[in-house]
Amino acid sequence: EPEVTQTPSHQVTQMGQEVILRCVPISNHLYFYWYRQILGQKVEFLVSFYNNEISEKSEIFDDQFSVERPDGSNFTLKIRSTKLEDSAMYFCASSEGGRDLFFGSGTQLSVL
Amino acid sequence: TQLLEQSPQFLSIQEGENLTVYCNSSSVFSSLQWYRQEPGEGPVLLVTVVTGGEVKKLKRLTFQFGDARKDSSLHITAAQPGDTGLYLCAGAKGGTSYGKLTFGQGTILTVHP
Repeated sequence: EPEVTQTPSHQVTQMGQEVILRCVPISNHLYFYWYRQILGQKVEFLVSFYNNEISEKSEIFDDQFSVERPDGSNFTLKIRSTKLEDSAMYFCASSEGGRDLFFGSGTQLSVL
Repeated sequence: TQLLEQSPQFLSIQEGENLTVYCNSSSVFSSLQWYRQEPGEGPVLLVTVVTGGEVKKLKRLTFQFGDARKDSSLHITAAQPGDTGLYLCAGAKGGTSYGKLTFGQGTILTVHP
């Protein structure tokens, strides 16, 4: 069964460092998303991406965040200068029609 | 800001019992989804409901969308230990925001053999 793949599964970084989280969405899907879940809190929407551009972003997704689809298969989330409060599980999701989302297993980001 | 409140937050029952999880909001959603999430994994989609009053069944799981599309419920009949997990509801506004989901805080279900 097709699945969304995320790498790495765990990422530890120092505050102020840049990190890139990588995702390979399901191949025929056209809509891509990043969500995050801080420990003990709700899953939160970060950004949606369609047709090679951001279609919607949340207040969390400030100038420190960017997304990119560098080729036909990868979808990345970059955090330019990480902060302690960026520590969370980051989930990538993709959708064929924009409604039913399929999530990856997540990248646990720890900022020290 | 749209909020989804799930109840109960924790549910511990014996195998064979029935249970219902509720998801409520003061806002109208164009669709509502139920997910199940295992520790260390991403949410896995169980069902999407889109029409007010809609009822969908998935084996022993019954999902209902409220008539006003502000609330939903998940009912499990004859729960089994394999049903143990975190259940999440998530709503979408629709239009170009279908994938911008607002999640509830989740219900942790434990089914004891």
